[in-house]
Amino acid sequence: DAGVTQSPTHLIKTRGQQVTLRCSPKSGHDTVSWYQQALGQGPQFIFQYYEEEERQRGNFPDRFSGHQFPNYSSELNVNALLLGDSALYLCASSPNAGKFTYGYTFGSGTRLTVV
Amino acid sequence: AQKITQTQPGMFVQEKEAVTLDCTYDTSDPSYGLFWYKQPSSGEMIFLIYQGSYDQQNATEGRYSLNFQKARKSANLVISASQLGDSAMYFCAMRGLYQTGANNLFFGTGTRLTVIP
Repeated sequence: DAGVTQSPTHLIKTRGQQVTLRCSPKSGHDTVSWYQQALGQGPQFIFQYYEEEERQRGNFPDRFSGHQFPNYSSELNVNALLLGDSALYLCASSPNAGKFTYGYTFGSGTRLTVV
Repeated sequence: AQKITQTQPGMFVQEKEAVTLDCTYDTSDPSYGLFWYKQPSSGEMIFLIYQGSYDQQNATEGRYSLNFQKARKSANLVISASQLGDSAMYFCAMRGLYQTGANNLFFGTGTRLTVIP
C-alpha cells in the first residue's frame, strides 16, 4: 500500500517564476495538508484541503495557492517565487473521519531551490 | 497561540543506551495532542508516538516512550536501547482540539540525534 507520494523530488526555479508541486495521498485518506520546512527549521503549516476546498490556512501570502482534485490528490502552486521560498515542501494526508490522535502520514517532500 | 520549544539542537548517544529528547509546549487550548516525529535524511516525517492531554498514562510504542508532565508542560521523548538507525532529526509537535489550528500541527525546531557505535 503506497504512502504519500510527492513529485518532483527536487526542483530548481528562477526568482519570479511559478512552480507547481504535486501530492497523492495515502490510500483511504481524503484530507491533504501542505507544510513548508526551511533549512534548520520545523515544518510550518501552509494550508489544508478537504472536499476540494481549502479548509484552513496558515500564515502564508496569497502567492501560495492550492487545489484538490476529486481523487483527493492535491497541488501546491507558488507564484512570483522569492529566494526565501527555497525549502522542503511536505505533503501530509489523513482520513477526515480519523481520530484526533492520528499522526498525519507525510511524504518525502519536494526540495525547491530558488536561484 | 501554540508554541513548541526544543532546546537541544543536537544530542549524542552511545549505541544500546537510552536517550531523552526534551520538548516543552505552551497552549491555552484545554484539550490538545502531542506528537513526536522522526525525520531521516530522506526528508520523510515518520510518526512515532502520540500523547493526549487527558491521557492518564504516559504513551509507549516499542522502544519509544513519552514522559508527559502536564503541570510542567513538557513532553519528553525517551528512546531506549538506541540503534544506529535512530540517527535522525526528531520533532515535537502539537495539535489543539478547539482553537484555530485544530487541523494542523505546530512543530518545534527539532533535535538532531546521533547514535555512536
